Amino acid sequence: EVQLQESGPGLVKPSQSLSLTCSVTGYSITSNSWGWIRKFPGNKMEWIGHMSSSASTSYNPSLIRRISITRDTSKNQFFLQLNSVTTEDTATYYCARSYTTDYYYVMDAWGQGASVTVSS
Amino acid sequence: DIQMTQSPPSLSASLGETVSIECRASEDIYSNLAWYQQKSGKSPQLLIYYASSLQDGVPSRFSGSGSGTQYSLKISGMQPEDEGVYYCLQGSKYPFTFGSGTKLEIK
Repeated sequence: EVQLQESGPGLVKPSQSLSLTCSVTGYSITSNSWGWIRKFPGNKMEWIGHMSSSASTSYNPSLIRRISITRDTSKNQFFLQLNSVTTEDTATYYCARSYTTDYYYVMDAWGQGASVTVSS
Repeated sequence: DIQMTQSPPSLSASLGETVSIECRASEDIYSNLAWYQQKSGKSPQLLIYYASSLQDGVPSRFSGSGSGTQYSLKISGMQPEDEGVYYCLQGSKYPFTFGSGTKLEIK
């Protein structure tokens, strides 16, 4: 059974970078796509981006100038870096496994989430 | 971006009642729609994909329907464990976008 676990600092200062790690067990990250989603206070959900099995990336255009998704296949981990954070980046960040067919896209396994607060 | 308009924002249902949640897309998403349930303090769980396909392990009281721009999730017989926030997600076009969520409570 695949399991995902986010880790990273819970508090980040404005203008600094947010770095999160997603550790995956029970499934290789060289298969499927692996991505990040965040949930803001008040329930709004936002798709951040993902990395495919071939390591190509797709990012939300609203964040494209500030984000990077990378991976370490030897550790079966993938990472999110979000630069120049503001208080509006305060959210719970989830990592998830996804797959795409000719007809649909789905995220079928999620981590428990990492709460990140941006504050001085 | 494709806008997903989800309704209602909140819903209160009695035990055994049938409830429906709607999502309308701002353009045709060709059934590329998933439904998720998120219980308090937990991560989202996939219920339905490709508009009407039931994810393995999900109770059969959950069903999805729709096409084009209009989609719905139906729970046939509300159970206490169905309380939570429900989201739709379109995967037709980048960036993928979520509905605003429906908070479902038992009456």
